[in-house]
Amino acid sequence: ETGVTQSPTHLIKTRGQQVTLRCSSQSGHNTVSWYQQALGQGPQFIFQYYREEENGRGNFPPRFSGLQFPNYSSELNVNALELDDSALYLCASSPGQGATGELFFGEGSRLTVL
Amino acid sequence: GQQLNQSPQSMFIQEGEDVSMNCTSSSIFNTWLWYKQEPGEGPVLLIALYKAGELTSNGRLTAQFGITRKDSFLNISASIPSDVGIYFCAGQLNNAGNMLTFGGGTRLMVKP
Repeated sequence: ETGVTQSPTHLIKTRGQQVTLRCSSQSGHNTVSWYQQALGQGPQFIFQYYREEENGRGNFPPRFSGLQFPNYSSELNVNALELDDSALYLCASSPGQGATGELFFGEGSRLTVL
Repeated sequence: GQQLNQSPQSMFIQEGEDVSMNCTSSSIFNTWLWYKQEPGEGPVLLIALYKAGELTSNGRLTAQFGITRKDSFLNISASIPSDVGIYFCAGQLNNAGNMLTFGGGTRLMVKP
């Protein structure tokens, strides 16, 4: 168990809706990153938050946005959901800004878009 | 963008056999990492490699950072049923923070 908790574990939405996923980082970890894992594929980096600011982003459109709170927990928001957004969304935390690449992942939130 | 190619995509082996899987990239990375993911779980770090040519072990697992910095391999010796899962390689560039590039994974199945 990594100490990273995510909610909800599963959810179903329809196209065009909006979704918010939540993550609590491991105690003492101040950096949170989000990954999208489509079925049968490896995780893809969405973005990273450090000190409540986004400081790294992958190849995802602006309808993917996030927040980090003073207690280092984080949210991932996706607007105008599309069918291809169906995936497992993983949150990962690390102490510092990820200099070592050693990430601690949560169990993920599985989103299905109908 | 950068892509990591992992092979094989899947393996079905007998308990006790050794396993080898590898990962290649079209561009260099400064750090190579190997993660394992089991059903219903997030990936868990197995081994991290920080220098070209580095060979690192973690129990029955051994991984190497290729000297060209464009590849890495992972070996598992004397496999056991709990080795079942999906193994992912990941590459990281300096100053990239938590932005890892993951391969497509190798699904390992072990027959008792």
